[in-house]
Amino acid sequence: DTAVSQTPKYLVTQMGNDKSIKCEQNLGHDTMYWYKQDSKKFLKIMFSYNNKELIINETVPNRFSPKSPDKAHLNLHINSLELGDSAVYFCASSLTYQGTEAFFGQGTRLTVV
Amino acid sequence: GESVGLHLPTLSVQEGDNSIINCAYSNSASDYFIWYKQESGKGPQFIIDIRSNMDKRQGQRVTVLLNKTVKHLSLQIAATQPGDSAVYFCAETLRADYKLSFGAGTTVTVRA
Repeated sequence: DTAVSQTPKYLVTQMGNDKSIKCEQNLGHDTMYWYKQDSKKFLKIMFSYNNKELIINETVPNRFSPKSPDKAHLNLHINSLELGDSAVYFCASSLTYQGTEAFFGQGTRLTVV
Repeated sequence: GESVGLHLPTLSVQEGDNSIINCAYSNSASDYFIWYKQESGKGPQFIIDIRSNMDKRQGQRVTVLLNKTVKHLSLQIAATQPGDSAVYFCAETLRADYKLSFGAGTTVTVRA
């Protein structure tokens, strides 16, 4: 009965590959997010979707493409992976996009070699 | 134990003591603030939140204080326990524009 679940938990891949991370929430929330946490633990928002519509798109390379097939799912596809993409990626959801707490998944540790 | 001043990346606390974690936020227009706890290998977990029309809010063993004049937020943990060892983040946002901005975390280590 995990609230926000993302797969895989670990992902090791070579430079240049394309990979996807999946996220699902069973909380009935309208809004979902992708965050990136670097090696220094800094957390930075990448994207936010509200009811399948993109509402936040921070300065992220266009190699990163989020896709929301429905409001319970937000997947992240990354093309042409680079070493600097290595990080922990967190999916999160909130009831709405206006001033409510976000619930985070367990994270996907991406290592690009 | 206290992370005195604006922010210290680490805080070591004796079990049973009170902890104070400080955070300076950046946007004077921010009107909603959240403290998160992140344990090793897990995602951030909500602890407590506070809106800008309040200056104090209490939860179970935790209290958040907000000083808008100096853009300062603090989290007080009473009777710190080993399970409180984690990285703690403050986050700020404008409620109308929900882009949570996280501060640099503080790693709290509880000594037995």
